[in-house]
Amino acid sequence: DAGVIQSPRHEVTEMGQEVTLRCKPISGHNSLFWYRQTMMRGLELLIYFNNNVPIDDSGMPEDRFSAKMPNASFSTLKIQPSEPRDSAVYFCASRSDRPKQYFGPGTRLTVT
Amino acid sequence: GESVGLHLPTLSVQEGDNSIINCAYSNSASDYFIWYKQESGKGPQFIIDIRSNMDKRQGQRVTVLLNKTVKHLSLQIAATQPGDSAVYFCAENNGGNKLVFGAGTILRVKS
Repeated sequence: DAGVIQSPRHEVTEMGQEVTLRCKPISGHNSLFWYRQTMMRGLELLIYFNNNVPIDDSGMPEDRFSAKMPNASFSTLKIQPSEPRDSAVYFCASRSDRPKQYFGPGTRLTVT
Repeated sequence: GESVGLHLPTLSVQEGDNSIINCAYSNSASDYFIWYKQESGKGPQFIIDIRSNMDKRQGQRVTVLLNKTVKHLSLQIAATQPGDSAVYFCAENNGGNKLVFGAGTILRVKS
């Protein structure tokens, strides 16, 4: 099993630029989650999808953040425009019908 | 200036000793609990889980104990090794899609 795949692993960008993070969930999993992890706030759930449909986006910080899941094997998290306070590690996780979530390796985002 | 952030509890143990990491959960309706290990630069990795109809479950070198009366969960690691150094998170689920994560505990293993 390849596990959850995220790209890029590291992203450094300038304030105001658009950032797109990508995730490929484990094949056969029907739920996908985007998290953000910082020293200040710990691990926060941003949004999750069930069968490619966004179910709960209450954790998305503001309109600059958007997420899509065009098919069962791909999701994106976009920040436009990015700000320095968006600097964090972003994780994608997926699960099947059981509650255990499998996490990807994360994308470390630095906005200067 | 001084940095402000989460102050995670830290457990320091000697290599070879047993470790016990504790977690208090919030929702009495939660019926599934899970422990994750996060090493530096990596994503959280599953260690062990337990359902509310059990009070103990054992894995390889790890045991999870659940006390529903006081809403307490613990992770015991036998014969702690340097490779066990990480941040450990507990999480709870109440039947919905989401996991609710604790803040985490830092485990440091001294050789």
